[in-house]
Amino acid sequence: DIQMTQSPSTLSASVGDRVTITCRASQSISSWLAWYQQKPGKAPKLLIYKASSLESGVPSRFSGSGSGTEFTLTISSLQPDDFATYYCQQYNSYSLTFGGGTKVEIK
Amino acid sequence: EVQLVESGGGLVQPGGSLRLSCAASGFTFSDYYMDWVRQAPGKGLEWVGHIRKKDNSYTTEYAASVKGRFIISRDDSKNSLYLQMNSLKTEDTAVYYCARVGILTGSGYFDYWGQGTLVTVSS
Repeated sequence: DIQMTQSPSTLSASVGDRVTITCRASQSISSWLAWYQQKPGKAPKLLIYKASSLESGVPSRFSGSGSGTEFTLTISSLQPDDFATYYCQQYNSYSLTFGGGTKVEIK
Repeated sequence: EVQLVESGGGLVQPGGSLRLSCAASGFTFSDYYMDWVRQAPGKGLEWVGHIRKKDNSYTTEYAASVKGRFIISRDDSKNSLYLQMNSLKTEDTAVYYCARVGILTGSGYFDYWGQGTLVTVSS
């Protein structure tokens, strides 16, 4: 299985900060990567697919980049609604796998 | 509006069985691949399995952790997805989500999720 490693596991930031989360794959996954946001007690929400394509309705402050084995999710200016846990997911091959998550906390 | 509503969760003893259902609405269910994803309490997301559509003979894929114990099926006439869970273990305790796979060619990401149903395996 392809292992997905996210860093950091926890991130403390303030409203207005630029935030970057990294996701590394154990082997090349081309651009077959998605990012999700999850709030406590809620289902995950799709933010980005195919590494850099913004899902409809997602604010433009979210962006994704990368290919091969290294990917980033960037929030250009953190808003109060963005405090949540973020997961990457590869869909290059089965079994599909998720990163361990990055919790974005209020500093 | 796309809606996915899971049901069937509950408390079951180790070694027991449970069948989860996911009722879909707001889209043409038969056009989409569907998956199950779970999340143990306080933990991250774990993919459980996948079912393709009729054109692909309803073929399935499973995570190694559930292969041989869980079976995914669908009834397009009822717009429903199912997860039959057998030989349950305590480590299967989790919230189970059904999720729709994005329709783009080559996609395996999930564009809609249900609210989840909790399965607790305990004696």
